[in-house]
Amino acid sequence: AQSVTQPDIHITVSEGASLELRCNYSYGATPYLFWYVQSPGQGLQLLLKYFSGDTLVQGIKGFEAEFKRSQSSFNLRKPSVHWSDAAEYFCAGLSGGSNYKLTFGKGTLLTVNP
Amino acid sequence: GAGVSQTPSNKVTEKGKYVELRCDPISGHTALYWYRQSLGQGPEFLIYFQGTGAADDSGLPNDRFFAVRPEGSVSTLKIQRTERGDSAVYLCASSQGLAGYNEQFFGPGTRLTVL
Repeated sequence: AQSVTQPDIHITVSEGASLELRCNYSYGATPYLFWYVQSPGQGLQLLLKYFSGDTLVQGIKGFEAEFKRSQSSFNLRKPSVHWSDAAEYFCAGLSGGSNYKLTFGKGTLLTVNP
Repeated sequence: GAGVSQTPSNKVTEKGKYVELRCDPISGHTALYWYRQSLGQGPEFLIYFQGTGAADDSGLPNDRFFAVRPEGSVSTLKIQRTERGDSAVYLCASSQGLAGYNEQFFGPGTRLTVL
């Protein structure tokens, strides 16, 4: 079955520190992969997406993610976290073809300490 | 321009009642999706439309759930005989068309509480 797994339920980092949020996928073929951010009272906002080509993807707000086929991973990174990055982050996949249903991980809650 | 809007933002109802949740997609977006997010979980797919037709309703949990999009724009998710387990945030999204590379833009959601 197609699935997306986020192993970390909650991560705490200090402001200015680097960040890496983990995401693993299980699909028969290379899926389309996405990272979304959800702040309280806000809708899901797309940070970045991977379809094909360059495995290092740049997104908004200084985020990037790297697709690693050998590890079935699509981890999200940011070199220096700001207090405003505190939110819940969701990794999602879509198998493509005629399937347009996003499959989400359970999310990682990010807390940023001053 | 305006994003996806959902009304109401909050809905409290009693077990057994009927509820309707509305979604206004971004103007010009032909594809519309419904997801459900339970507490502590990621969103789960319910149904999506291309135009007026439900292209895939495989995520609807049972026949108490139904969604329509009669004119290809606004959509309504209808839940009959609500149960406490239906309590969740219902998210709507829209995209320019049905294609994997088209970004799905999400609304703020409707929080449904069934007492």
